[in-house]
Amino acid sequence: QKEVEQNSGPLSVPEGAIASLNCTYSDRGSQSFFWYRQYSGKSPELIMSIYSNGDKEDGRFTAQLNKASQYVSLLIRDSQPSDSATYLCAVVPSGGYQKVTFGTGTKLQVIP
Amino acid sequence: NAGVTQTPKFQVLKTGQSMTLQCAQDMNHNSMYWYRQDPGMGLRLIYYSASEGTTDKGEVPNGYNVSRLNKREFSLRLESAAPSQTSVYFCATIPRLAVQETQYFGPGTRLLVL
Repeated sequence: QKEVEQNSGPLSVPEGAIASLNCTYSDRGSQSFFWYRQYSGKSPELIMSIYSNGDKEDGRFTAQLNKASQYVSLLIRDSQPSDSATYLCAVVPSGGYQKVTFGTGTKLQVIP
Repeated sequence: NAGVTQTPKFQVLKTGQSMTLQCAQDMNHNSMYWYRQDPGMGLRLIYYSASEGTTDKGEVPNGYNVSRLNKREFSLRLESAAPSQTSVYFCATIPRLAVQETQYFGPGTRLLVL
């Protein structure tokens, strides 16, 4: 079982819709969770971080964490073509930041 | 501030050649990382440096060496390049090795080994 799993996609949504991206992780003691956006040919950039159960909202982005079910999700409201990118989930496990693990990413396509 | 810089941006090597990838940061961050990114594999940690003067292996260290030259610079060396090392290499930094810190990535180096 991979430590961090994401559906590779592509996930296609129409412009203006809500995009829902999911990530599951295996280490129950994981402490920190991050969502990065990566445009083709570019480096990852941080979108959201979340550390405790529940929802965290920042503009059009909402991160959701459920430690009991070991999943973290990212919702993008009012999706725009500029949101088309690969979204990487990163998890800091109980071993600490030196063990940070990335998922393989979900490719999102927002159709105008 | 330039943030995290990497040189070169792109490199072509022949099998068996050596090269050093350079990473520098001007954010006064303590910890630095080297990742490789391959299609379908995500980001995999090669080596990291928790602080100046220390280095440790990550998930895929074979075939690589690193040097934390000072607080600003962290280099990655391929002594004898192999086609399997064709990849995009990213350097990243965090202010300190704490679980709520965020990583900052450099622009990447694309390496092709023939």
